[in-house]
Amino acid sequence: AQKITQTQPGMFVQEKEAVTLDCTYDTSDPSYGLFWYKQPSSGEMIFLIYQGSYDQQNATEGRYSLNFQKARKSANLVISASQLGDSAMYFCAMREGTQGGSEKLVFGKGTKLTVNP
Amino acid sequence: DAGITQSPRHKVTETGTPVTLRCHQTENHRYMYWYRQDPGHGLRLIHYSYGVKDTDKGEVSDGYSVSRSKTEDFLLTLESATSSQTSVYFCAISESGPNDEQFFGPGTRLTVL
Repeated sequence: AQKITQTQPGMFVQEKEAVTLDCTYDTSDPSYGLFWYKQPSSGEMIFLIYQGSYDQQNATEGRYSLNFQKARKSANLVISASQLGDSAMYFCAMREGTQGGSEKLVFGKGTKLTVNP
Repeated sequence: DAGITQSPRHKVTETGTPVTLRCHQTENHRYMYWYRQDPGHGLRLIHYSYGVKDTDKGEVSDGYSVSRSKTEDFLLTLESATSSQTSVYFCAISESGPNDEQFFGPGTRLTVL
């Protein structure tokens, strides 16, 4: 069974608008972490944001925020005020296990975001 | 930027030949990982290391072996390359701190003819 599901293969947004990229996950482990990475056309993987399963507040990093709904097992990425440079592939990933244990990440298949001028 | 390099960056080889990819880090991070990225699959973990000479299998380890004799180097070997191993290979490192983010290398594009 897929552990990370990104249902949007592609998304389009107008410059300066906000966009939400969906991610749902499946785990029975009470301790886990959720990540979002950005991969521009140049190919490098860039860490954006992290949410721990015990974190009380939704994570935010500049224009990025994570809409964490634990009961629904969703961890959607919200990008505010989109910029042309935000056009890229975005990957959601999950780490299971307690800190110091498994450090493996499982990635979703990604969402390609295109920001239109 | 985290100091991670991968070599070679591009390689074309023939089926049946051995191939070794190298990942080198200057961050002294404990954990190192090898992923492959294929269209429609995202990134999939091949092997990872949690210390010198300590390695474990990931999701798609068949046909691959790894070695880590020094903290800074993590080698991925394809003993006998096959066309199904044509992919982009990423190395990543993490310190296992509170945020646990992984820092990725620039990737190696491998083509097996």
